[in-house]
Amino acid sequence: GAGVSQSPSNKVTEKGKDVELRCDPISGHTALYWYRQSLGQGLEFLIYFQGNSAPDKSGLPSDRFSAERTGGSVSTLTIQRTQQEDSAVYLCASSLTGTRILDTQYFGPGTRLTVL
Amino acid sequence: SQQGEEDPQALSIQEGENATMNCSYKTSINNLQWYRQNSGRGLVHLILIRSNEREKHSGRLRVTLDTSKKSSSLLITASRAADTASYFCATMRQNTGNQFYFGTGTSLTVIP
Repeated sequence: GAGVSQSPSNKVTEKGKDVELRCDPISGHTALYWYRQSLGQGLEFLIYFQGNSAPDKSGLPSDRFSAERTGGSVSTLTIQRTQQEDSAVYLCASSLTGTRILDTQYFGPGTRLTVL
Repeated sequence: SQQGEEDPQALSIQEGENATMNCSYKTSINNLQWYRQNSGRGLVHLILIRSNEREKHSGRLRVTLDTSKKSSSLLITASRAADTASYFCATMRQNTGNQFYFGTGTSLTVIP
């Protein structure tokens, strides 16, 4: 079956512009995660969706970042007024249940964002 | 903030040798997972070890967990050039919801 997909794969934008990044999780997965990875660094947690519950937004670095998940499936991460420090690879992952013990995350290929 | 740190940051070995990577973390966990990343793109899950387990095997992979030392190790035996990648440990802390915390990664290069 299809894995997690993300679009676009690459995005180059000018400082100050808004960008939208899209994630299509694996069908039937109730949990969805967004991460950011700067060059040569580990993954930074951004936001987590679980079913119809309110999302865990505790990792969003500023109010310029927001995310939605429509119908419990597709998610969009929006970055407003982009800054050069927003340049990174944005990774989306989904997991089946979001439970604590046995969950495994399946990652998409990422979107490489470059802010000029 | 990141929960885990991998050691070493970079490792270069000859094909056929074993590669050992270590991960340390800071707080009590429910489980610890190892992931692999090729070329800075998506991560692939390798193995999960629960907090009440001490060792787990999967093919050429062996993972150990020492909760008293808050550390884990990943051993790749008989390495191959195709094992070249970055390896990350990820922990799910107890009582903090469902956030995963990833370490900084070990970059492994296997020389043919």
